[in-house]
Amino acid sequence: KQEVTQIPAALSVPEGENLVLNCSFTDSAIYNLQWFRQDPGKGLTSLLLIQSSQREQTSGRLNASLDKSSGRSTLYIAASQPGDSATYLCAVLSSGDKLTFGTGTRLAVRP
Amino acid sequence: KAGVTQTPRYLIKTRGQQVTLSCSPISGHRSVSWYQQTPGQGLQFLFEYFSETQRNKGNFPGRFSGRQFSNSRSEMNVSTLELGDSALYLCASSDGGAGDEQFFGPGTRLTVL
Repeated sequence: KQEVTQIPAALSVPEGENLVLNCSFTDSAIYNLQWFRQDPGKGLTSLLLIQSSQREQTSGRLNASLDKSSGRSTLYIAASQPGDSATYLCAVLSSGDKLTFGTGTRLAVRP
Repeated sequence: KAGVTQTPRYLIKTRGQQVTLSCSPISGHRSVSWYQQTPGQGLQFLFEYFSETQRNKGNFPGRFSGRQFSNSRSEMNVSTLELGDSALYLCASSDGGAGDEQFFGPGTRLTVL
């Protein structure tokens, strides 16, 4: 059974800081890994999708890496802004076409 | 293309009632998956429908059911509501191929009193 863990559970940083969110998964047989953002009471916004054959993806200030063999992914956020405050979720797509989600990292960026 | 839409956005029901939630996928997508999000359990997979057939199922009781129509729109039904069914219900659509990216709707917030 696939299990996804995210560390840390919560993070508070001053504006402008670079930060790294971590995600680990137990079964390396995945199709892809997605990072999502969720604002309070809202749905999920897809940030980055990394296919199992890829090592990293970049979008603006965001960079996500994937090491499938070790079951790890990191989301790097450069020059953080207060608008980045949200919960960040990683999810892996495995057989059965279902996403298994981590419990998320709640990020607060202080002005 | 329009994104995934879900209706209604908010719903309040009482215990014992039943509820039906609707999800319209992105045009051309044939797969719709449903997820439940609660503070205690996080995001959990309910089921997936592809071409009007349930293709995958999570570990939820039979009170949770769904269906998909020929236009790929999907409905989820919960019967005999319990307080613990209060949650944000999210649906996601994809092309339906193995490993295809899933796109999420805004969710339906269900409150059971």
